Amino acid sequence: DAKTTQPTSMDCAEGRAANLPCNHSTISGNEYVYWYRQIHSQGPQYIIHGLKNNETNEMASLIITEDRKSSTLILPHATLRDTAVYYCIVRVASGGGADGLTFGKGTHLIIQP
Amino acid sequence: DGGITQSPKYLFRKEGQNVTLSCEQNLNHDAMYWYRQDPGQGLRLIYYSQIVNDFQKGDIAEGYSVSREKKESFPLTVTSAQKNPTAFYLCASAWDGRNEKLFFGSGTQLSVL
Repeated sequence: DAKTTQPTSMDCAEGRAANLPCNHSTISGNEYVYWYRQIHSQGPQYIIHGLKNNETNEMASLIITEDRKSSTLILPHATLRDTAVYYCIVRVASGGGADGLTFGKGTHLIIQP
Repeated sequence: DGGITQSPKYLFRKEGQNVTLSCEQNLNHDAMYWYRQDPGQGLRLIYYSQIVNDFQKGDIAEGYSVSREKKESFPLTVTSAQKNPTAFYLCASAWDGRNEKLFFGSGTQLSVL
């Protein structure tokens, strides 16, 4: 699986858009980008994933660059409840024998009131 | 409500003792996983199972054992061979081994007395 690089921590003001970057310069053509978040002392929660097109759901938007070497997770109107560690993961999503996901240290996003 | 349930939330182990962490899901998922998380770190895969009566070692299986006798249940035993068991343990499930959308339980915090 391709390696990802994320900032250790970020701050964002409540009500503003939170933009979380992720670099994955060694990504392969069949690898997807996944985002999860983990609120303190809870299990991670799936947010969104994509291959090459931008994706949007009720939680967030995922913007993937044309060369697919980086992506940005956007929380459009951050609230205090969005304070969490956000994990960017790159993984082949098809084929048998998948052995779960590899979670690095992620980005600790702190929403400031 | 459908979901994945871990119990207990807090567990204490004495030296030389085996302890078992429970993980139950009613999502009808085939794949189940156990992760370990140390403070300030990402998640590391202990064991995973893609089907009943079958499971594979993850990255840090030494000192742990699992069983998968029923689709709904994937208990993890932390044996006395695990010399540093204090950690946050997370169980997850997915529709199948190819699906990277994982659903996590709320975790068990294991501490050594």
